[in-house]
Amino acid sequence: NAGVTQTPKFQVLKTGQSMTLQCAQDMNHNSMYWYRQDPGMGLRLIYYSASEGTTDKGEVPNGYNVSRLNKREFSLRLESAAPSQTSVYFCASNLVAGEVEQFFGPGTRLTVL
Amino acid sequence: RKEVEQDPGPFNVPEGATVAFNCTYSNSASQSFFWYRQDCRKEPKLLMSVYSSGNEDGRFTAQLNRASQYISLLIRDSKLSDSATYLCVVIKAAGNKLTFGGGTRVLVKP
Repeated sequence: NAGVTQTPKFQVLKTGQSMTLQCAQDMNHNSMYWYRQDPGMGLRLIYYSASEGTTDKGEVPNGYNVSRLNKREFSLRLESAAPSQTSVYFCASNLVAGEVEQFFGPGTRLTVL
Repeated sequence: RKEVEQDPGPFNVPEGATVAFNCTYSNSASQSFFWYRQDCRKEPKLLMSVYSSGNEDGRFTAQLNRASQYISLLIRDSKLSDSATYLCVVIKAAGNKLTFGGGTRVLVKP
């Protein structure tokens, strides 16, 4: 089992460019999440998907869109990147929403110039 | 005020010593509490839950103080491998999303 995988691991964008962060899990989990982590801020929830076919906003959704492509995959899209979106992005999953333990991917380090 | 606050540290700890640190939460209705561990440039992983009566897992002891709205983590006989950032996590109600603190960095030195 690979667990939760994320691509790419690193990315540098110019302001205004768009990109999609990919996330996949092979644990047959129903719920998936996207977080961003900034120094001293902890992890902040961007969007989540409690089950296939549903998505909901988290604490900081502005500037992002998501797609739950199927049960395994949950992508995060930046339509027009801004320097404020420079961060480390983590995808996570668990069997059901509300469970304590979430399994995280290795993260994507994004820099927007 | 942040919902979940932690001293960012770093806590510099001699190997073999004991270190303890707290996490405060603002919502008195918060129900569940946990500690996650995050190694440098890695993903967070669940370390342990925090029960009302306090609980131990090997060298790690977690406590909850509802009256003062904080949880604590104590590490005994610190190992070099305990060097990490410890994230406090609070759930306000069953089925709700996790709220993370900013983390406390611990550096164990020989």
